Amino acid sequence: GNSVTQMEGPVTLSEEAFLTINCTYTATGYPSLFWYVQYPGEGLQLLLKATKADDKGSNKGFEATYRKETTSFHLEKGSVQVSDSAVYFCALSDPSNQFYFGTGTSLTVIP
Amino acid sequence: NAGVTQTPKFRILKIGQSMTLQCTQDMNHNYMYWYRQDPGMGLKLIYYSVGAGITDKGEVPNGYNVSRSTTEDFPLRLELAAPSQTSVYFCASSPLTHDTQYFGPGTRLTVL
Repeated sequence: GNSVTQMEGPVTLSEEAFLTINCTYTATGYPSLFWYVQYPGEGLQLLLKATKADDKGSNKGFEATYRKETTSFHLEKGSVQVSDSAVYFCALSDPSNQFYFGTGTSLTVIP
Repeated sequence: NAGVTQTPKFRILKIGQSMTLQCTQDMNHNYMYWYRQDPGMGLKLIYYSVGAGITDKGEVPNGYNVSRSTTEDFPLRLELAAPSQTSVYFCASSPLTHDTQYFGPGTRLTVL
């Protein structure tokens, strides 16, 4: 079946450090891939998405590239800020319109 | 636009009680979803709907029911609450299949 696996947290970084959160997926067909962010006490918000192989999604300095050959969609940011502290979820949607979410990675950025 | 709204924000139920979690969206989206989020876990899909009058089961539908009589509303019903249903429930909507989902703020439910 379809599934998403993302790196375990929590992750703690100093401000301006480089961030990578790994995400790999298992899916039949050609899923769309997403990164969502959840701030404390709030619902999830879309961060970025990619709908086909080799697409790069980007937003607010975050990037992720849809790699079909490695079934990956790793999230990166060159210089994190304290305001980036949140939980990040990788997700995929399959042709049957179901969404599958990873378990989330908690990021804390310290000044 | 209010987006996706959910009520109540918090609720405590006793075992065996029933309740309905309300979800409304004002974006005229056809697709709506209910998820539960357990501590330290990702979201699990409970039910979804592709339009008024059409609903389908997700990954964890047992113990829940839904209806979709209008485009805007997608209530989730718990008939006989159990401690295993203690969770945070999120409603979401989407304009298209495989597209961005817009989430409500969530309902934190505790069953004692």
